Amino acid sequence: GAGVSQSPSNKVTEKGKDVELRCDPISGHTALYWYRQSLGQGLEFLIYFQGNSAPDKSGLPSDRFSAERTGGSVSTLTIQRTQQEDSAVYLCASSLQGASFYNEQFFGPGTRLTVL
Amino acid sequence: AQTVTQSQPEMSVQEAETVTLSCTYDTSESDYYLFWYKQPPSRQMILVIRQEAYKQQNATENRFSVNFQKAAKSFSLKISDSQLGDAAMYFCAYRTNSFPYNTDKLIFGTGTRLQVFP
Repeated sequence: GAGVSQSPSNKVTEKGKDVELRCDPISGHTALYWYRQSLGQGLEFLIYFQGNSAPDKSGLPSDRFSAERTGGSVSTLTIQRTQQEDSAVYLCASSLQGASFYNEQFFGPGTRLTVL
Repeated sequence: AQTVTQSQPEMSVQEAETVTLSCTYDTSESDYYLFWYKQPPSRQMILVIRQEAYKQQNATENRFSVNFQKAAKSFSLKISDSQLGDAAMYFCAYRTNSFPYNTDKLIFGTGTRLQVFP
């Protein structure tokens, strides 16, 4: 597609379960970002991938959160042993290049995660 | 660390009128970018306008313009001739443009919900 896509759109899970959220960036974009938006809050940076460089994981809130990017394209954000405070909208973005160049970040529609 | 503050949780404006959304930020860097993003109920973030810190001229995009005051660390968004479609959450964001260029994260404020009345 033309834009960033994310799946699923909504996810309801039980406390303690693991979840995987998927992001398909815009074709040709080398940089990919994950953000978290909790209710009534702004977006909080989680992780940034740029090409084959080591990702910037400085925003991951705990070791229950991890992300990978396979083949420089699709990315999966995994949350293990989910907690109720993990409930939020998880937004993915991609850009043509990151860091040393300015390129607009294009956002996907997000995945709303609800942990019961 | 950089921070972004939006002190107006909600604002309202009448159609065709002008409204200004406030944003302040804190940084020790001299080179950076500032942004305003719009988030409609669809959740998809849309870039409204961008300002480069080294440029003194305020950015303008059609009905949207900014008042960038670098010394005061202030970056407000003015929407002229407001339209019903402007109703959304608006987020101010900061991006570093300084060495060592090893991250590209956006730092967001908590947002301002804009209501537009006919």
